Amino acid sequence: AQSVTQLDSQVPVFEEAPVELRCNYSSSVSVYLFWYVQYPNQGLQLLLKYLSGSTLVESINGFEAEFNKSQTSFHLRKPSVHISDTAEYFCAVSDRDNDMRFGAGTRLTVKP
Amino acid sequence: EAGVAQSPRYKIIEKRQSVAFWCNPISGHATLYWYQQILGQGPKLLIQFQNNGVVDDSQLPKDRFSAERLKGVDSTLKIQPAKLEDSAVYLCASSRGLAGTDTQYFGPGTRLTVL
Repeated sequence: AQSVTQLDSQVPVFEEAPVELRCNYSSSVSVYLFWYVQYPNQGLQLLLKYLSGSTLVESINGFEAEFNKSQTSFHLRKPSVHISDTAEYFCAVSDRDNDMRFGAGTRLTVKP
Repeated sequence: EAGVAQSPRYKIIEKRQSVAFWCNPISGHATLYWYQQILGQGPKLLIQFQNNGVVDDSQLPKDRFSAERLKGVDSTLKIQPAKLEDSAVYLCASSRGLAGTDTQYFGPGTRLTVL
């Protein structure tokens, strides 16, 4: 079965600084990759996903992630973060049967 | 389009008591999932339904946990009897189908505290 490792449990950054949240996965089959965001006291929301095609995927609020098959990574980046980006971010991997496995999460804290 | 609904939002019980959670998926979504999210961890799949049939319940502790989706729409998850280690947020999600390309949409969760 597939698995996900999120390398940083907490990432503090200052507002307007760039950020990278790291995610590595392992799987013996073709996978689909996701980033979900969980704002305080809210449910999980899909941020972006890679299914096929272009390895660079973007969200509507400025985040992007790049699927790197050789390094089995799907790191999430944003060139300039806002206070409102403070949240928990989960990387997830799924196979063709939608058996989804989540990482432990990275808590992003944006400081003024 | 209404999202995934869950109730209650919070529940506090004592160990050895029973508890039930309810989930109503997005209309038209055939696949429904229950996840357990322990504090500091990512969600862990407990059970997956396709319509009213179980697709995967390999990680469900069947000695105390049960789930059903009788009419292929809403679902209930029950714990009987509860243990301290069951304290967690229980998330329900739904998707159009079983394919890995079908996005899973999550409800707000039920936070269970077992004392």
